Amino acid sequence: DGGITQSPKYLFRKEGQNVTLSCEQNLNHDAMYWYRQDPGQGLRLIYYSQIVNDFQKGDIAEGYSVSREKKESFPLTVTSAQKNPTAFYLCASRDRGRYEQYFGPGTRLTVT
Amino acid sequence: GEDVEQSLFLSVREGDSSVINCTYTDSSSTYLYWYKQEPGAGLQLLTYIFSNMDMKQDQRLTVLLNKKDKHLSLRIADTQTGDSAIYFCAEGNFNKFYFGSGTKLNVKP
Repeated sequence: DGGITQSPKYLFRKEGQNVTLSCEQNLNHDAMYWYRQDPGQGLRLIYYSQIVNDFQKGDIAEGYSVSREKKESFPLTVTSAQKNPTAFYLCASRDRGRYEQYFGPGTRLTVT
Repeated sequence: GEDVEQSLFLSVREGDSSVINCTYTDSSSTYLYWYKQEPGAGLQLLTYIFSNMDMKQDQRLTVLLNKKDKHLSLRIADTQTGDSAIYFCAEGNFNKFYFGSGTKLNVKP
């Protein structure tokens, strides 16, 4: 079964702690993305990576960091510098030469 | 970022057609997309249309694109209760995608 997995589905953290969200894909896609979704809003791009060992900031990268050491994995760290980290985080991937993105099931992060 | 606008809610009766509308601003987008999101889930790609087309049909789904007015619509024929979800319009090229805020479709039995 090919697809994108995100774990865990729900994550709870105390304010001031860093937390890492997992995203894995077995679609052999080159590009991967992280989005944030807030209630009643569209998706906003945090970071994206077109190739291993390379990534670019999206529109709201402040307070987040990523790595892309393997083609199939693109973890997102939400740092304590992110002022409003509670949100639904979505990972996506895209095949080279194709325009459409495919999404994982999401991780809901709650920081108290 | 670019602006993608959608109305927030649409309510229809089961068996009727639903039409969800979207306006966008970036005329350079190569493709425009419709995604469906069910509660607590990720986005499911429903369909997409190349920017030089004006219509695409895929089973119960019909996408209409008016490039002059930068208007995109999704028509769902014979709407079912299982179609109740949030529908997102998006535009983009490769690494820059812009999403609307979503239209919540409520299908009444």
